[in-house]
Amino acid sequence: QITLKESGPTLVKPTQTLTLTCTFSGFSLSTSGLGVGWIRQPPGKALEWLALIYWDDDKRYNPSLKSRLTITKDTSKNQVVLTMTNMDPVDTATYYCARNRWGYGYWGQGTLVTVSS
Amino acid sequence: DIQMTQSPSSLSASVGDRVTITCRASQSISIYLNWYQQKPGKAPKLLIYAASSLQSGVPSRFSGSGSGTDFTLTISSLQPEDFATYYCQQSSSTPHTFGQGTKLEIK
Repeated sequence: QITLKESGPTLVKPTQTLTLTCTFSGFSLSTSGLGVGWIRQPPGKALEWLALIYWDDDKRYNPSLKSRLTITKDTSKNQVVLTMTNMDPVDTATYYCARNRWGYGYWGQGTLVTVSS
Repeated sequence: DIQMTQSPSSLSASVGDRVTITCRASQSISIYLNWYQQKPGKAPKLLIYAASSLQSGVPSRFSGSGSGTDFTLTISSLQPEDFATYYCQQSSSTPHTFGQGTKLEIK
């Protein structure tokens, strides 16, 4: 059974750095062809793709946010970590991690992050 | 970035109706097109990948077609549980952009 779960703060202040962890089970990120990505969704709005890390440590970022994002993996812990610097109220959203292989077939439940002073 | 445009943005339909949602890419993406269903408060669910491949466990009333820049998602006979928001997404190149969504409502 494949599961993913996001964890991290629910409230961050403007200018702070957000660190989110995706802990997964049921697959290994050392398996060829797999990736884990991050997608966010502001309240009432559409999905926005943020970043993706592949089994071979290839990392991809949304160019509009690239300067603020870092994605890493710890294969031994089955975790992927996303950091986003200089948080702003417009970054308030539900953040999802999802497994990528021919589409994002498995998703976490999402975690709502609110940016407010 | 590749832009994805869905139409319509919203749609009213009745149980039993046949419904089609379209998605257009700003440049050719071959068959690297995915469709998701999202219900309020829930994570998106993958329905179709590679334009026309049905994800395991998804009912056969869902189908996808297209290649290049133009794609469609068809629901052959709407069921009550199908009322949701649908998103297309290209996975031809990063960023893996999503369409703006199509909200399917009960008429």
